[in-house]
Amino acid sequence: KQEVTQIPAALSVPEGENLVLNCSFTDSAIYNLQWFRQDPGKGLTSLLLIQSSQREQTSGRLNASLDKSSGRSTLYIAASQPGDSATYLCAVLPQNSGGSNYKLTFGKGTLLTVNP
Amino acid sequence: DTEVTQTPKHLVMGMTNKKSLKCEQHMGHRAMYWYKQKAKKPPELMFVYSYEKLSINESVPSRFSPECPNSSLLNLHLHALQPEDSALYLCASSPQVRHRTAAYEQYFGPGTRLTVT
Repeated sequence: KQEVTQIPAALSVPEGENLVLNCSFTDSAIYNLQWFRQDPGKGLTSLLLIQSSQREQTSGRLNASLDKSSGRSTLYIAASQPGDSATYLCAVLPQNSGGSNYKLTFGKGTLLTVNP
Repeated sequence: DTEVTQTPKHLVMGMTNKKSLKCEQHMGHRAMYWYKQKAKKPPELMFVYSYEKLSINESVPSRFSPECPNSSLLNLHLHALQPEDSALYLCASSPQVRHRTAAYEQYFGPGTRLTVT
């Protein structure tokens, strides 16, 4: 059964700092990995999608990498701003043959606070 | 337009009420999803519609009844809910569920905050 773990559970940094959020998954047979942002009480905003054949994706100050063989992904945020404060979720779409390969498996998220 | 809209934003209902949640997308996506999210937990999949047909029901109680009237619209009908059903209900869509070796990005709506009293 695929399990996704995110470390740390919470992170507080001063504005302007570069930071890395970590995501690990137990089964490397995945279609893709998605990073989401969620503000309190709001829906999920998709930040980056990495297909299983890709190594990284970039969007503005965000860079996500994928090392499928080791079951790891990182989300790098450059020059953090208070507006980046949110919960960041990673999710994988597993390729398993158990009939659940339509179903995103989410980590529990990292709560990021960027202090002015 | 990469937007999924959901109405209402907030809903308070009694255990004997019948209400509906609505989700709409105009991206031409053919897969739509309902998720339930409790506080400080990740979203849990409830239903998947593919080409307007229900393809996945994650053993959801029958008091939740999904409906996909057309390719842009997804409803969730609620009846005789319990207080523990209070949660954020999220709708999502993707171009398809999957295609061969590729899978697609899911786009989420802002959610409906449901409170059952």
